[in-house]
Amino acid sequence: AQSVAQPEDQVNVAEGNPLTVKCTYSVSGNPYLFWYVQYPNRGLQFLLKYITGDNLVKGSYGFEAEFNKSQTSFHLKKPSALVSDSALYFCAVRDRGSTLGRLYFGRGTQLTVWP
Amino acid sequence: EAEVAQSPRYKITEKSQAVAFWCDPISGHATLYWYRQILGQGPELLVQFQDESVVDDSQLPKDRFSAERLKGVDSTLKIQPAELGDSAMYLCASSPSDYSGNTIYFGEGSWLTVV
Repeated sequence: AQSVAQPEDQVNVAEGNPLTVKCTYSVSGNPYLFWYVQYPNRGLQFLLKYITGDNLVKGSYGFEAEFNKSQTSFHLKKPSALVSDSALYFCAVRDRGSTLGRLYFGRGTQLTVWP
Repeated sequence: EAEVAQSPRYKITEKSQAVAFWCDPISGHATLYWYRQILGQGPELLVQFQDESVVDDSQLPKDRFSAERLKGVDSTLKIQPAELGDSAMYLCASSPSDYSGNTIYFGEGSWLTVV
């Protein structure tokens, strides 16, 4: 069975400081991993994904994430946070061996960047 | 930039009434998804279409929910009768094909409140 854990419901960081939003996953096979962001009353916006190759993936708005197979983690990072980064962040996983391609989401982490 | 269109954005309905949501995926996207997001949780898949065929409806409460994609383009999700526990955001999403590495793009969502 596939599952995603986001261990922190909330992350608070000062503007200009680095941020990390944690994600660990469980899949029966090899994973495809995704990060999405959701602003209030909006849908999900795609940030980045890991498919294969380099474990460090760069995405939109200066975000990046590192795939760590041994720790089954895919943490989202940004070197310098902006107030406008404040939003709800979701990690998601797909089993690349699955024919159905369902995305499994974590519960989300609320990121607050204070000025 | 092409987007997934959804309507209505907000719907308030009384318990036991019928409600329907419409989705127009990104042009050319063969795979269409309906997800439900309950407040404070991550989205969960209700139904997945490949062209006009349902490929995964294992989590769809079929006694009250139905979904169709008659011509393999736009789609309708119906709830009848609505229950208080159906209050949630209903997200439509699409991707180019059923390849698991493809990015899934989400619409803005339809907020349902059942009173």
